[in-house]
Amino acid sequence: EVQLVESGGGLVKPGESLRLSCVGSGFTFSNNHMIWVRQAPGKGLEWVSSISSGSNYIYYADSVKGRFTISRDNAKNSLYLQMNSLRAEDTAVYYCGRAPGYCSSTRCYDIFSDYWGQGTLVTVSS
Amino acid sequence: EIVMTQSPATLSVSPGERAALSCRASQSVRSNLAWYQQKPGQAPRLLIYGASTRATGIAARFSGSGSGTEFTLTISSLQSEDFAVYYCQQYNNWPPYTFGQGTKLEI
Repeated sequence: EVQLVESGGGLVKPGESLRLSCVGSGFTFSNNHMIWVRQAPGKGLEWVSSISSGSNYIYYADSVKGRFTISRDNAKNSLYLQMNSLRAEDTAVYYCGRAPGYCSSTRCYDIFSDYWGQGTLVTVSS
Repeated sequence: EIVMTQSPATLSVSPGERAALSCRASQSVRSNLAWYQQKPGQAPRLLIYGASTRATGIAARFSGSGSGTEFTLTISSLQSEDFAVYYCQQYNNWPPYTFGQGTKLEI
């Protein structure tokens, strides 16, 4: 059974940092593209970032570019999101997801999430 | 950036009836479209990918259609557990992989 478990959320002040983790099990983590999606309270889904299986292809939403860094450790079946310079508008539940697709040098294929974690809440408030 | 627009924002339907949810893309996404279901306090769940392929374990009453810019998620005979929020997402043009704003399906 595929499982994704996020951790690392919490309450931080504006300008502070936080690192989210996501551990995958029940599948070969190193074979899969992984994504982060967030959902602000009472709002819809927003794609945040994605990373290919070998970390060659990394993409960010404009809203987090330059502040967030996605990474992975395939030996630990783990995905990370380092979030710096946090703002109130970053308050959200952050979900990690497994994507069945992949990226080549010219484009990416099937980067949607077929499995999701339960989410971890990040609250940015003074 | 491709904008995904879902309609209606809220759809009121009775159990046993058919529901059709619409998703429109601001430019062609070919068939690179997914549908998700989200219930309160839960993570989203993949229903449909490739515009019309049901994900593993998804009931046959869920079907997807369309290509290019116009897509529809149809639930043929609503069950009580189907009342939720539904999102479409395009994965043809990136970044970003954009979602629609959601359609709430209510009794």
